[in-house]
Amino acid sequence: AQSVSQHNHHVILSEAASLELGCNYSYGGTVNLFWYVQYPGQHLQLLLKYFSGDPLVKGIKGFEAEFIKSKFSFNLRKPSVQWSDTAEYFCAVNARSGGGNKLTFGTGTQLKVEL
Amino acid sequence: DVKVTQSSRYLVKRTGEKVFLECVQDMDHENMFWYRQDPGLGLRLIYFSYDVKMKEKGDIPEGYSVSREKKERFSLILESASTNQTSMYLCASSFIFQDQPQHFGDGTRLSIL
Repeated sequence: AQSVSQHNHHVILSEAASLELGCNYSYGGTVNLFWYVQYPGQHLQLLLKYFSGDPLVKGIKGFEAEFIKSKFSFNLRKPSVQWSDTAEYFCAVNARSGGGNKLTFGTGTQLKVEL
Repeated sequence: DVKVTQSSRYLVKRTGEKVFLECVQDMDHENMFWYRQDPGLGLRLIYFSYDVKMKEKGDIPEGYSVSREKKERFSLILESASTNQTSMYLCASSFIFQDQPQHFGDGTRLSIL
C-alpha cells in the first residue's frame, strides 16, 4: 500500500523568505504526485501535479515541486513567500486500487507567513 | 468550472442516529470519494466509487457505508453515529485516469453529541 510522509507539521516564515516543504512517498508502481493547498475557510485546491516528463513541475502562485525518483521525494518550493500563502499544504500520491485510483494524503503542513 | 456540492456545511446529530451526507458533482466524473479530515491526521479515505453502484473501501471504512445510484451523486451513511465520528467530511470527484486531480467540495463539519 502507498503512504506519504510530510516531515514538517508547522512552519512559520517571514514574508519574502524561501519555502521548502518535504514530502516522501512509498509506492512500488507508477506514481502520480500532487500538492494541494487549503486556505483558511476554503476547500482544497490543486497546487500542482506530476505524472511524467520533466521532474520539475510548476504550479499556481509561483510554487514548484521537484520529483526525485531515487529519493522517493516530491518537495514543494517557493522562492519568496507572501502573507497570502498562509494555508495548510498536503502532499498526495495517486495509485491504482481495485477498479479505480486511490489518492493517499500526507498529514499536512500548516504554514504561517508573518508580515 | 468543476462544482462539487455537499448538502450541508454544518450538521449536529445525536449518538445512535443514522446520518446521511450527500455530495453532487456536475462534471460527469467517474470517480467519487469520501474523506474525513482531522487535525494532525490529514485526509483519510473512507470509501470511493469508480462507477455507478460500484464502491471500494478506503483506509477507514468501519462504521460507514456509501451509496451511488446515479453518476453525479455519492452518499455517505453513518449507520449508528458515535462521538468519534465527529469530524470534517470532504467529498471529491475526478475523471477515471490516474493523472487526473480530484476536485473537492467545501466540506461538512459534523458534530455527534
